[in-house]
Amino acid sequence: ILNVEQSPQSLHVQEGDSTNFTCSFPSSNFYALHWYRWETAKSPEALFVMTLNGDEKKKGRISATLNTKEGYSYLYIKGSQPEDSATYLCASLSTNAGKSTFGDGTTLTVKP
Amino acid sequence: EAQVTQNPRYLITVTGKKLTVTCSQNMNHEYMSWYRQDPGLGLRQIYYSMNVEVTDKGDVPEGYKVSRKEKRNFPLILESPSPNQTSLYFCASSLYLDSTDTQYFGPGTRLTVL
Repeated sequence: ILNVEQSPQSLHVQEGDSTNFTCSFPSSNFYALHWYRWETAKSPEALFVMTLNGDEKKKGRISATLNTKEGYSYLYIKGSQPEDSATYLCASLSTNAGKSTFGDGTTLTVKP
Repeated sequence: EAQVTQNPRYLITVTGKKLTVTCSQNMNHEYMSWYRQDPGLGLRQIYYSMNVEVTDKGDVPEGYKVSRKEKRNFPLILESPSPNQTSLYFCASSLYLDSTDTQYFGPGTRLTVL
């Protein structure tokens, strides 16, 4: 994988559903993976920084896992709420310091 | 309040008229970066700076210039804007962008080039 890829591109769920999406990144020269939450008309805000294979991070109902050997990260949202509606971006940082490559994002819409 | 500011927030201009979008951060961050966001695409890195007087190209640097003469400021310069540079631009900063830092984003500048 040469680019950072996120799937699905968009997701529509009902309030209370749990959901997950994927970020795939180049496993060679991996340095760190960032997850961001981007609400409409606002700026992206950081959710997680992940660096080690097997990392698991959690913030409230949102959690993330990291597999650096196979080059993927999962973001999970448990019991989705309408306020979780946003675009979730991942960014891969390589050992080429300074370069930050973003995926195209997964847009989540949670219906009440 | 810790923040990244950008000016202007909205700009409509014409092809070939030089413009500068300013970016400033008050967190004493060493790392700063510019991104553009187009419909259906994620953020694409234009230029970044690891420190004062140190800048480097991102993935889409063509048609842009930057400078980093002071730690707090990182202006984006379009010498001769063209319609394909119509986009939403974000400036971001980070302490070092190492394995523990994430980026703080400015509010965005929506640029239209006619």
